[in-house]
Amino acid sequence: EAGVAQSPRYKIIEKRQSVAFWCNPISGHATLYWYQQILGQGPKLLIQFQNNGVVDDSQLPKDRFSAERLKGVDSTLKIQPAKLEDSAVYLCASSLKGPDTQYFGPGTRLTVL
Amino acid sequence: GNSVTQMEGPVTLSEEAFLTINCTYTATGYPSLFWYVQYPGEGLQLLLKATKADDKGSNKGFEATYRKETTSFHLEKGSVQVSDSAVYFCALSRTGTASKLTFGTGTRLQVTL
Repeated sequence: EAGVAQSPRYKIIEKRQSVAFWCNPISGHATLYWYQQILGQGPKLLIQFQNNGVVDDSQLPKDRFSAERLKGVDSTLKIQPAKLEDSAVYLCASSLKGPDTQYFGPGTRLTVL
Repeated sequence: GNSVTQMEGPVTLSEEAFLTINCTYTATGYPSLFWYVQYPGEGLQLLLKATKADDKGSNKGFEATYRKETTSFHLEKGSVQVSDSAVYFCALSRTGTASKLTFGTGTRLQVTL
């Protein structure tokens, strides 16, 4: 069974630029999560989707971050404009349904200069 | 709110030594508890989980018991190997649709020959 796919694996941008990350969850998984992992810290949830609806986006900085999950499968996370403090690994995870075990992708490491 | 506290690392052990990584939590209700592992250059992988009090999760020689009275979920292994070198994250999730994981800060384990 294919795991959670993410791209790109690495991205370097300058502050005030825009960036987008893509995630393809495990086939059939209804719930998709985006986490931000700053170096030396545990991952922090940014947004949770159930199919194509948002369940929790309370910690998403909505002035610069946006995410969508059209058709309830793939998802994109965008940052516009980026700040230095956005440097982190962005992890995508999926689960069959809400409370089930979450499976993580390899992450996208973002460096903002 | 929900939170997880882990012992700070790094933890350095010789091969075949006994491992304990402490984890305590604060949560309302009855959360599920998890240990995730992150090997160098790889994504987060579920190591083990427990969903109710007194449950013991186990996998690959690692064990952890859900102790509600002490709000703890300590990770143990009787004999570590060099290949166990990784960062270990304790996490909890609420039941229900909004099932985000709340992570600790992670504990780096280094096993030497």
